[in-house]
Amino acid sequence: GEDVEQSLFLSVREGDSSVINCTYTDSSSTYLYWYKQEPGAGLQLLTYIFSNMDMKQDQRLTVLLNKKDKHLSLRIADTQTGDSAIYFCAAENYGGSQGNLIFGKGTKLSVKP
Amino acid sequence: DTGVSQDPRHKITKRGQNVTFRCDPISEHNRLYWYRQTLGQGPEFLTYFQNEAQLEKSRLLSDRFSAERPKGSFSTLEIQRTEQGDSAMYLCASAWGFGLAKETQYFGPGTRLLVL
Repeated sequence: GEDVEQSLFLSVREGDSSVINCTYTDSSSTYLYWYKQEPGAGLQLLTYIFSNMDMKQDQRLTVLLNKKDKHLSLRIADTQTGDSAIYFCAAENYGGSQGNLIFGKGTKLSVKP
Repeated sequence: DTGVSQDPRHKITKRGQNVTFRCDPISEHNRLYWYRQTLGQGPEFLTYFQNEAQLEKSRLLSDRFSAERPKGSFSTLEIQRTEQGDSAMYLCASAWGFGLAKETQYFGPGTRLLVL
């Protein structure tokens, strides 16, 4: 089945760019997602990318997809202290009857002023 | 509509007790998912409904767990004879979709369960 891996921690200074990386194993995943989770809260969808795209930009967020290497990244430009959270990469799993999401363990982003 | 809501937000129970959680999805969404998230991990899929039909269950969902979505709107997740290992955040998500077409899952705030 699908497996999603992420680095666990990233620390950046306010105003710098953050790049969070993710790898996945199942090349049949049609959509790949980035979610944000703040302490004690549920998951907030940030953005997603369709597997036939290699880049998607949405304001300060840029998603890059290398389908050959099964590598996904999320770049946050001009990172702010409010961006401090855990970021989850997720891939759709069509092993069952429907695309439930397979999540990585999350990357904790710390933004220092 | 304000999004997916879950109740209660927090639950503390003693081992062996039964607990029930409720999820109210976004009103027009036909699909509803339950996930479990333990500390330091990403959410793990438990089960999925399309309208009132429960179409898929993870092997994580032991026979002590049962989920329903009787009228295709809200859903309940019940855990019987709770164990300390059941302590986790239980997340509900809803989506609108058909077949394998693109859908986006929107998550509720979760119910945090602590089993003593």
